[in-house]
Amino acid sequence: NAGVTQTPKFQVLKTGQSMTLQCAQDMNHEYMSWYRQDPGMGLRLIHYSVGAGITDQGEVPNGYNVSRSTTEDFPLRLLSAAPSQTSVYFCASNSGTRLRDTQYFGPGTRLTVL
Amino acid sequence: AQKITQTQPGMFVQEKEAVTLDCTYDTSDQSYGLFWYKQPSSGEMIFLIYQGSYDEQNATEGRYSLNFQKARKSANLVISASQLGDSAMYFCAMRAYSGAGSYQLTFGKGTKLSVIP
Repeated sequence: NAGVTQTPKFQVLKTGQSMTLQCAQDMNHEYMSWYRQDPGMGLRLIHYSVGAGITDQGEVPNGYNVSRSTTEDFPLRLLSAAPSQTSVYFCASNSGTRLRDTQYFGPGTRLTVL
Repeated sequence: AQKITQTQPGMFVQEKEAVTLDCTYDTSDQSYGLFWYKQPSSGEMIFLIYQGSYDEQNATEGRYSLNFQKARKSANLVISASQLGDSAMYFCAMRAYSGAGSYQLTFGKGTKLSVIP
């Protein structure tokens, strides 16, 4: 199993540009999430999905869009990039909603918005 | 709302010594889970250990153990016999019910551990 994969690993955007961060998992997990990590802030939840066709907002959803058309894929779209979205983005998945279900993380995408 | 507090931004430990990383949490839920993750300088998030709120014994995984004190709402990570490879950021996280059928992970801000040879 490849686990959770993310592309690209690095990206530089100009203010106002749009782009999609890709996330895929091959563990047949229903539950997927996107986080952003900023220095001194830990990880904060952007959006999550409890299954194909179902998404919901997390703590910091503004400026981001998601969709979940398949179990495997959960892309994150930046609609109009802003410098405040410079961050490291992690995608994660877990098999269900039991409290002890471990969340597996992708390697992250480092995004810089100029 | 859930909250995780890690009060130690950075810590140093001598190689082969034990170290405790502090974590306190706040939730009104009776059922919750506590996780610790390690993030080395390479950036990936590595799951270390889990403790459930109803688990009777403190969790242990190799050199990692969790000192769970439910009444104090603390879940400190103990690393025994520190190794140079333990130098990393460590995050405490809690999963509890957050409404609409979902259980979210809430992270603390992390503690940067440096192991001194």
